[in-house]
Amino acid sequence: KAGVTQTPRYLIKTRGQQVTLSCSPISGHRSVSWYQQTPGQGLQFLFEYFSETQRNKGNFPGRFSGRQFSNSRSEMNVSTLELGDSALYLCASSLDWGRVEKLFFGSGTQLSVL
Amino acid sequence: DQQVKQNSPSLSVQEGRISILNCDYTNSMFDYFLWYKKYPAEGPTFLISISSIKDKNEDGRFTVFLNKSAKHLSLHIVPSQPGDSAVYFCAASKGYSTLTFGKGTMLLVSP
Repeated sequence: KAGVTQTPRYLIKTRGQQVTLSCSPISGHRSVSWYQQTPGQGLQFLFEYFSETQRNKGNFPGRFSGRQFSNSRSEMNVSTLELGDSALYLCASSLDWGRVEKLFFGSGTQLSVL
Repeated sequence: DQQVKQNSPSLSVQEGRISILNCDYTNSMFDYFLWYKKYPAEGPTFLISISSIKDKNEDGRFTVFLNKSAKHLSLHIVPSQPGDSAVYFCAASKGYSTLTFGKGTMLLVSP
């Protein structure tokens, strides 16, 4: 069974640009969560989607948004990039919503903002 | 406000010895706790968990202890192996909802 797939693996952008990251969950998983990992803050929850609906949202500005498609694939978008957005963005999937004990993470997208 | 704290950024242990990783939390509503292991260039992988109704959970070389009164949990690895060298994240949730992570502890097990 294929794991959680995140694309692209690496991304370099400049301040003010926008970026879209993609996540394909494990087959059959319907919930997708996004986390941001930075050296100073560790892993921080961004949002969770289930059945194309955002179920939970972390404490991030509105520049961070996401969506989920009918095939459970998810994308997150960051607009007007800032230097502080440089981080590893991790996607995790689970069978159902609110099943943190069965979260499977992808390898992440490393975003560098110059 | 950091609700889950891992106060040791790094820990070095010799192979065969015990590794003890600590985690403190401030939110008394947390009722489920997990440990994840992360290698460089990979996503975190689930290691072991414990519900707030228990004070100990064991899985092979890994044991997690929970002290609710002190709002403290620890992960014991016995015996430690070089392959255990990784970053360990403590995480907590309320009602099996979203995870709140600590900043991680880098464990280095030397031969």
